This record gives sequence, C-alpha cells and structure tokens, in this order.
Amino acid sequence: GAGVSQSPSNKVTEKGKDVELRCDPISGHTALYWYRQSLGQGLEFLIYFQGNSAPDKSGLPSDRFSAERTGGSVSTLTIQRTQQEDSAVYLCASRPDGGTGELFFGEGSRLTVL
Amino acid sequence: GENVEQHPSTLSVQEGDSAVIKCTYSDSASNYFPWYKQELGKGPQLIIDIRSNVGEKKDQRIAVTLNKTAKHFSLHITETQPEDSAVYFCAAIGNQGGKLIFGQGTELSVKP
Repeated sequence: GAGVSQSPSNKVTEKGKDVELRCDPISGHTALYWYRQSLGQGLEFLIYFQGNSAPDKSGLPSDRFSAERTGGSVSTLTIQRTQQEDSAVYLCASRPDGGTGELFFGEGSRLTVL
Repeated sequence: GENVEQHPSTLSVQEGDSAVIKCTYSDSASNYFPWYKQELGKGPQLIIDIRSNVGEKKDQRIAVTLNKTAKHFSLHITETQPEDSAVYFCAAIGNQGGKLIFGQGTELSVKP
C-alpha cells in the first residue's frame, strides 16, 4: 500500500537560495510531523500538525523555516535563505490520529547546501 | 519541555549476544515510549512500544522495560543477528499526544 511519500529525495542548492520540501502523508492520517536528521545525529523535532488545530511550531530553529499543510493532507516545509548548517535529511511522518501510536515515516529528503 | 537522553551512542556485539540500550526522560507526564529502528537510507520504523501502565513488554527477541519512578526505559535484544544492525531510537510523548521527542540514537553493530 502507499506509504508516506517525500520529494525531492535529494536536493542540492546554493547558500542563500530558498527550498521547498514536500510530504504526502498516508491517506486519512490527520497527524503529520517534520523532523530533521543531521549527519550521524538524532531526530530533531521541527513541527507537528494535527487536524485543524494550530500547529506546534516549537521545534523550528529559526524564522527562515516554515511549514504549511493544505487541506489536511499534503505538507510543504520551506527553508528561506538556506545556510550550510541546514544540510540534513528532512523526515516527514504521519499517524492516523492525534494522541499516541505508531508514526509512519517517509524515506526523507536529503538537502545539501553548498 | 521533554528531553530524552540515550546511551550508548554506539554498541558492538557478537552474533548471538544480547544488546541493551538505555534512555532517560525528563517529563514525568510522559506515558508512551516507542522504539524505532532505522536502516541505512530508510525512515525509522516502529519495533516496539510501551505505555506507562506496564512495566515490561516482550515481542519475540525484543523486550522493553520501563521504570517510571526513575524515569528510564530500556530496549533489550536477545540472540542478536547481523540483520539487527541498524540505528535505534527511543522516544517519549505525553498522553495528550503532540510532540514526540527522540533520543540521540544508538548505532548497533552485530558481528557475525
């Protein structure tokens, strides 16, 4: 069956450019998360969407980072004026509903900022 | 907010031996503790989870224990196999759901 889909799988950009990363969650899943994984590091929470509630943006590292979720489905993570330290794998995950339970992860978008 | 610490960062064992990974958490309100396995180039996958009303849970060669008083929980893998080699993450979340916070990960290597 269809899992969480992320695009692009790889993105190379120049410092100062803006990038958009896309996440298609599993159909019907109301909860959606973004995490950042730097080389050899853990999973850093960025943002959490649940249904129509206001998102929890407490993990976004700076105002250059923003995310939207349109129609309760597809989500886009935007990084403006990219810096070299933004280089990482950005992982998206979804869950059927709020509360607790298994997160289903995509394979990630690897961002390299030159 | 919640903070999860995980140890060790790397662990190397011989095939057939046991492996233990430990985590501590800071928020006493947390009551759901999953463990994820991440293979190279893949997203993490849930392997086992435990809720705070249970002290131990087993699934074949994998077990998780929880000590709520001390705020720590552990993953135990018995009879390790080369295919167990991966990065393992612990995590914690409160019963209201929301932000799931992960530990720093443990790279497990099982040598044949």
